[in-house]
Amino acid sequence: KAGVTQTPRYLIKTRGQQVTLSCSPISGHRSVSWYQQTPGQGLQFLFEYFSETQRNKGNFPGRFSGRQFSNSRSEMNVSTLELGDSALYLCASSLPNQGDNEQYFGPGTRLTVT
Amino acid sequence: KQEVTQIPAALSVPEGENLVLNCSFTDSAIYNLQWFRQDPGKGLTSLLLIQSSQREQTSGRLNASLDKSSGRSTLYIAASQPGDSATYLCAGSNNAGNMLTFGGGTRLMVKP
Repeated sequence: KAGVTQTPRYLIKTRGQQVTLSCSPISGHRSVSWYQQTPGQGLQFLFEYFSETQRNKGNFPGRFSGRQFSNSRSEMNVSTLELGDSALYLCASSLPNQGDNEQYFGPGTRLTVT
Repeated sequence: KQEVTQIPAALSVPEGENLVLNCSFTDSAIYNLQWFRQDPGKGLTSLLLIQSSQREQTSGRLNASLDKSSGRSTLYIAASQPGDSATYLCAGSNNAGNMLTFGGGTRLMVKP
């Protein structure tokens, strides 16, 4: 069974631009979560999508948004990029039940904002 | 709000040593806890999930325990090997979905 895939793997953007990252979950997984990892703040939860609906949201500004498609693939978008948005963005997929689900992570997208 | 702490932040041990990594959390209402491994520049690899009704899980040389009342989880690695060198992260979830709260990680180096 293929794992979680994320594209692109690396991105370089300029301040003020916007960016879209993509995540394809493990087949049969319908929950997709996004995390931001930085050296200073560690791993922080962005949001979770299930059945094309945002189910949970972390404490990030509205510049960070996401969506999920009917095939469970998810995208996240960051508008008006800031230098502090430079990070490794990880997505995780799991079964949709709330609670006891193992989370499986993708390799991440490394975003650099200059 | 759940807060997760891992101490120490870094650990260096000789090959063959048994070791324990610690994870503490502030909210005893934690639902389950998962341990991950992260190699430099890579994503997270799930090691063990201690489900809500469990107190420990084992996989090969790894054993993880969870004590909700004391707010602690430990990851025991037996007979450490240089290939175990990585950052180990613990993360807890509540029962409101799949949102994980992560600790800062322990960077482990196993020297040959």
